[in-house]
Amino acid sequence: NAGVTQTPKFQVLKTGQSMTLQCAQDMNHEYMSWYRQDPGMGLRLIHYSVGAGITDQGEVPNGYNVSRSTTEDFPLRLLSAAPSQTSVYFCASSLGTSYNSPLHFGNGTRLTVT
Amino acid sequence: AQSVAQPEDQVNVAEGNPLTVKCTYSVSGNPYLFWYVQYPNRGLQFLLKYITGDNLVKGSYGFEAEFNKSQTSFHLKKPSALVSDSALYFCAVRRRQYYGGSQGNLIFGKGTKLSVKP
Repeated sequence: NAGVTQTPKFQVLKTGQSMTLQCAQDMNHEYMSWYRQDPGMGLRLIHYSVGAGITDQGEVPNGYNVSRSTTEDFPLRLLSAAPSQTSVYFCASSLGTSYNSPLHFGNGTRLTVT
Repeated sequence: AQSVAQPEDQVNVAEGNPLTVKCTYSVSGNPYLFWYVQYPNRGLQFLLKYITGDNLVKGSYGFEAEFNKSQTSFHLKKPSALVSDSALYFCAVRRRQYYGGSQGNLIFGKGTKLSVKP
């Protein structure tokens, strides 16, 4: 059982480049989300989805796009990378309809924008 | 608005001593409360949750947490710390009742680094 899989593990981009961070889960979870983790800031929610075809913004959505065409996949797109987007990105999923259900996290993507 | 405060950036304890990692929350209505642990270069792992009922919740790896409604706190505890408990710990809150939109999302504290020395 793979759980939540994120690729790549590491990425270096130049300012202005675009890329997609991949996230896939095999637990048939309805709810999926993207967080970024920065020192002293904890985890901040970027975007989330409560099911296929449904996405919404979190706390820090600017500069990022998401889509949810299937239950399993929830890619995060950086449209034009900026140094302020240097961070560790985590994808997480949960059953979703039960709001006491815990989140399951991937192992993260460490992104550096130069 | 929902918020979580972890007042200590770092907690240092000696192996074998009890440990406490503090968490206070602010949410309208009754909360769901969670603790997660993060080891280096890994994602967060679920430790325990408070839903309802007994105020003392037991979780993984011998950890427990005490829910105190009057003090709006959910402190993480362990009777005897291990060196392997050294990690980053996050408290999180979610509203129990919500009316759609973002209120159902988990809000995390900034994390507390626990260091257990031999």
